[in-house]
Amino acid sequence: AQSVTQPDIHITVSEGASLELRCNYSYGATPYLFWYVQSPGQGLQLLLKYFSGDTLVQGIKGFEAEFKRSQSSFNLRKPSVHWSDAAEYFCAVRKTSGSRLTFGEGTQLTVNP
Amino acid sequence: DAGITQSPRHKVTETGTPVTLRCHQTENHRYMYWYRQDPGHGLRLIHYSYGVKDTDKGEVSDGYSVSRSKTEDFLLTLESATSSQTSVYFCAISESSDTQYFGPGTRLTVL
Repeated sequence: AQSVTQPDIHITVSEGASLELRCNYSYGATPYLFWYVQSPGQGLQLLLKYFSGDTLVQGIKGFEAEFKRSQSSFNLRKPSVHWSDAAEYFCAVRKTSGSRLTFGEGTQLTVNP
Repeated sequence: DAGITQSPRHKVTETGTPVTLRCHQTENHRYMYWYRQDPGHGLRLIHYSYGVKDTDKGEVSDGYSVSRSKTEDFLLTLESATSSQTSVYFCAISESSDTQYFGPGTRLTVL
């Protein structure tokens, strides 16, 4: 079965600083990978996804993620964080066949002014 | 945003009472899902549906049942609510191999 690990439960950065959120997955083949963001009291919003092709994917709100097969990672990055990026971020993995997602435990991002 | 609504948005109930949560979609997507979200656990799949009257269990299905009599509605029932089922419940939809889109959530408190 696939699994996802987000090693950082909570990250704090200053506004304007760069951001990298880590995600490692376990799966026997190349999975489909997703990053979602959840603002307080809200549902999950898709930031970006990787199915195949270019390993660097661009998403909404200035986020990008890079798939590294050799490291089983799909880290999320943003060059300059805004206060409105404060939220919880979830990495998820899905088998190439089927529809079920497996989520990581999430990383809570705090942005200091 | 995908057309997904959940009702009720908030509910407080007592242990042992039945509870039904509703997910309604206007996208005509084939797949529908119920997740629960708890601190330290991320989202965990309870049940999902791959068509009308076609459902299957997820990783935390004990104590829950589902029904899907129409494409647009997916109901989650707690037959006899327990305090361990206090959680935030999210519905999601997808069309075959496409992305899952999430509803706004239902906060359930079982006293």
